[in-house]
Amino acid sequence: ELKVEQNPLFLSMQEGKNYTIYCNYSTTSDRLYWYRQDPGKSLESLFVLLSNGAVKQEGRLMASLDTKARLSTLHITAAVHDLSATYFCAVDITQGGSEKLVFGKGTKLTVNP
Amino acid sequence: NAGVTQTPKFRVLKTGQSMTLLCAQDMNHEYMYWYRQDPGMGLRLIHYSVGEGTTAKGEVPDGYNVSRLKKQNFLLGLESAAPSQTSVYFCASSLRQGFKNSPLHFGNGTRLTVT
Repeated sequence: ELKVEQNPLFLSMQEGKNYTIYCNYSTTSDRLYWYRQDPGKSLESLFVLLSNGAVKQEGRLMASLDTKARLSTLHITAAVHDLSATYFCAVDITQGGSEKLVFGKGTKLTVNP
Repeated sequence: NAGVTQTPKFRVLKTGQSMTLLCAQDMNHEYMYWYRQDPGMGLRLIHYSVGEGTTAKGEVPDGYNVSRLKKQNFLLGLESAAPSQTSVYFCASSLRQGFKNSPLHFGNGTRLTVT
């Protein structure tokens, strides 16, 4: 059974600081997704990582994928308050002939002034 | 662009009552999904559909049924609601290729409380 583990689950950081969120998964996959969720809102797609070594950047966020280590990272550079949200990674697997997306439990990020 | 629309947005049920959640998408997506989100649990897949007329079980299917009679609609039914089904329910859709070329597009969620 696929397990997707994120850490930390809660992260409080100051504006201007850097930090990394980690996403480990337990089975082979070369497709990983990052989503953002604001409180009481739906999930918004941030990044789609489709191969080993993939790196995507958008503003202060950068995501990478190492399929050999079964690890993805979401790096935050010079955090600002607007980045406060819950971030989910999700891993794509094929099981029983169908593709499924398995989510981590999420990392709740709070950026303090 | 409406995207993925879920109705209702909120609902309170008593134990044993039934209800149907409706999901509609206007993006001509083949794949549709129902997830539930509980505090500290992330999102868990209930049921999904890879095309009109097809459905399959996800991670936590017990107590739920689904139907995909039309490509644009995916219905989630609770026949006899239980307090353990109190949750936020999200519908999502994706392109024919599944996840390969596109992420999931999510609806805004339905907050269900079962008393």
